[in-house]
Amino acid sequence: EPEVTQTPSHQVTQMGQEVILRCVPISNHLYFYWYRQILGQKVEFLVSFYNNEISEKSEIFDDQFSVERPDGSNFTLKIRSTKLEDSAMYFCASRGPNEKLFFGSGTQLSVL
Amino acid sequence: DQQVKQNSPSLSVQEGRISILNCDYTNSMFDYFLWYKKYPAEGPTFLISISSIKDKNEDGRFTVFLNKSAKHLSLHIVPSQPGDSAVYFCAATDQTGANNLFFGTGTRLTVIP
Repeated sequence: EPEVTQTPSHQVTQMGQEVILRCVPISNHLYFYWYRQILGQKVEFLVSFYNNEISEKSEIFDDQFSVERPDGSNFTLKIRSTKLEDSAMYFCASRGPNEKLFFGSGTQLSVL
Repeated sequence: DQQVKQNSPSLSVQEGRISILNCDYTNSMFDYFLWYKKYPAEGPTFLISISSIKDKNEDGRFTVFLNKSAKHLSLHIVPSQPGDSAVYFCAATDQTGANNLFFGTGTRLTVIP
């Protein structure tokens, strides 16, 4: 079965540093998403991306966050100046026409 | 604002018995519902879904029931197996725009051999 690939699986960074989380969605999918899950909490929507632009974003997705699809395969989430509360598991997802989201295995971000 | 709620954080069931996981939602615009299963250190994986035009959808051991008037859905697993032990997330969407999902907080199911 096709899968969404995320790298790295674990990222450790110092507070205030920039991080880029990378994702390779399923090749024929058109909608791309980032979600996150803070330890012990629910999975939260961050942003959706379609046709090379943001479709929707949550209130979590403030000015320190950005997304990009720099080429035909990668989809990245950048956090410009990380805060302690950004520590979470970040999931990339992509969707085809049948409404089912496929999730990657996640990147565990630890901000120290 | 928690639009999708799973009020039971955990559930333990004997192998072979039925597992029933519950989910409530508040947004009447939601018209498509999904259950995802998540193992530790892995992303959620799709399990089963239901459209609001149906009240039941079945796939093997898994059945999802939807009660629109009560804004309630449930996932039944029968018979439960030890490999079903995982966290189960209910999710909902309104099928407009980018169709981003709203997740519940999850229920940790433990199937006891």
